[in-house]
Amino acid sequence: ELKVEQNPLFLSMQEGKNYTIYCNYSTTSDRLYWYRQDPGKSLESLFVLLSNGAVKQEGRLMASLDTKARLSTLHITAAVHDLSATYFCAVDGLAWVSGTYKYIFGTGTRLKVLA
Amino acid sequence: NAGVTQTPKFQVLKTGQSMTLQCAQDMNHEYMSWYRQDPGMGLRLIHYSVGAGITDQGEVPNGYNVSRSTTEDFPLRLLSAAPSQTSVYFCASSMGLVYNEQFFGPGTRLTVL
Repeated sequence: ELKVEQNPLFLSMQEGKNYTIYCNYSTTSDRLYWYRQDPGKSLESLFVLLSNGAVKQEGRLMASLDTKARLSTLHITAAVHDLSATYFCAVDGLAWVSGTYKYIFGTGTRLKVLA
Repeated sequence: NAGVTQTPKFQVLKTGQSMTLQCAQDMNHEYMSWYRQDPGMGLRLIHYSVGAGITDQGEVPNGYNVSRSTTEDFPLRLLSAAPSQTSVYFCASSMGLVYNEQFFGPGTRLTVL
């Protein structure tokens, strides 16, 4: 069964600090997605990671993928208040037994950046 | 481009009522999907479609029906609403399964009394 776990679930950090959000998943997959959701809003795509060793960066956020460890990280550099949001990772793939396509989200990491 | 649109934004139903949540996209995307978002549970896939006339079940399909008669539209039908279906519903679309970066609609907040 495909499961996706994120940690931490909640993160409160000071502006200017660095931190990493972790996303672990349970079955083999070469594709991982990161999304951002502001309170009361919809989800916005941040990164698409398509292979082992993939690294993407946008501003103060950098995402990486290690398919052998089944781990993706979202690293925040010198956090600013505008990064306060909930961050989701998601993994997709075919469930081999049923042939059903799965797109599974983690439970999200709620980030609060304090001034 | 309007992207992905959803209607209504808010809806209150009584137990047993039926209704249809509308979703449309103007990006000519083949893949469309419906999710529900509940506190502490992330998003869960209800149904998805890989093209007009093709739909399949996701993680939590019970109590919901979908159809895809056109590339643009993917309505979600609640057959007989239950309080457990109180949630925020998001529709999403993407180019396809190989590169499934999804674009989400604004969501529908549904309350079932």
